[in-house]
Amino acid sequence: EVQLVESGGGLVQPGGSLRLSCAASGFTFSSYWMHWVRQAPGKGLVWVSRINSDGSTTSYADSVKGRFSISRDNAKNTLYLQMNSLRAEDTAVYYCARGSSWGSYYYMDVWGKGTTVTVSS
Amino acid sequence: DIQMTQSPSSLSASVGDRVTITCRASQSISNYLNWYHQKPGKAPKLLIYAASSLQSGVPSRFSGSGSGTDFTLSISSLQPEDFATYYCQQSYSVPWTFGQGTKVEIK
Repeated sequence: EVQLVESGGGLVQPGGSLRLSCAASGFTFSSYWMHWVRQAPGKGLVWVSRINSDGSTTSYADSVKGRFSISRDNAKNTLYLQMNSLRAEDTAVYYCARGSSWGSYYYMDVWGKGTTVTVSS
Repeated sequence: DIQMTQSPSSLSASVGDRVTITCRASQSISNYLNWYHQKPGKAPKLLIYAASSLQSGVPSRFSGSGSGTDFTLSISSLQPEDFATYYCQQSYSVPWTFGQGTKVEIK
């Protein structure tokens, strides 16, 4: 079964750091782009970051650029999101998602259940 | 950044109704448009990719159309399990952006 399982969320003070993990199984992890998407309480979906299959190319939303870092360990089938200088507005459920493509069309076809990050003093 | 605007923000419908949701991009995105739905407390699920291609395992009552800046998601006959929030998302350029969502509620 294709599966993504996030972990690492929790309560952190403003200015603190947290590292999220996403364990992949049931597919060849090293062949896929991967994404992080977040959802603040009661709000919509916001794309956060992506990384290509070998980890050499990354992209970020402006709101997290310079504070968050995406990485992956293909030997461990795991995606990471290092979050530094956290702010209250980073409070959200963080989803990892698999990036797939059909020709030049890209989409996110497998999602984890999410991990909750709360930034509060 | 490309802004995605959905309408309506919410709608009430009955089982069996035909439902249409519209998504408009702030610039042309060709067919780089995906649709997802999300039930409360659950992860989003991909329905349609490349504007009109049905994701494997998604019922055929779902369909997508459009190109350029204007797109539509249609549900031909609303079922109880379709009550959810629907999001469009563009993959034309980074940062990928979502619409604000359309909540489909039971009338």
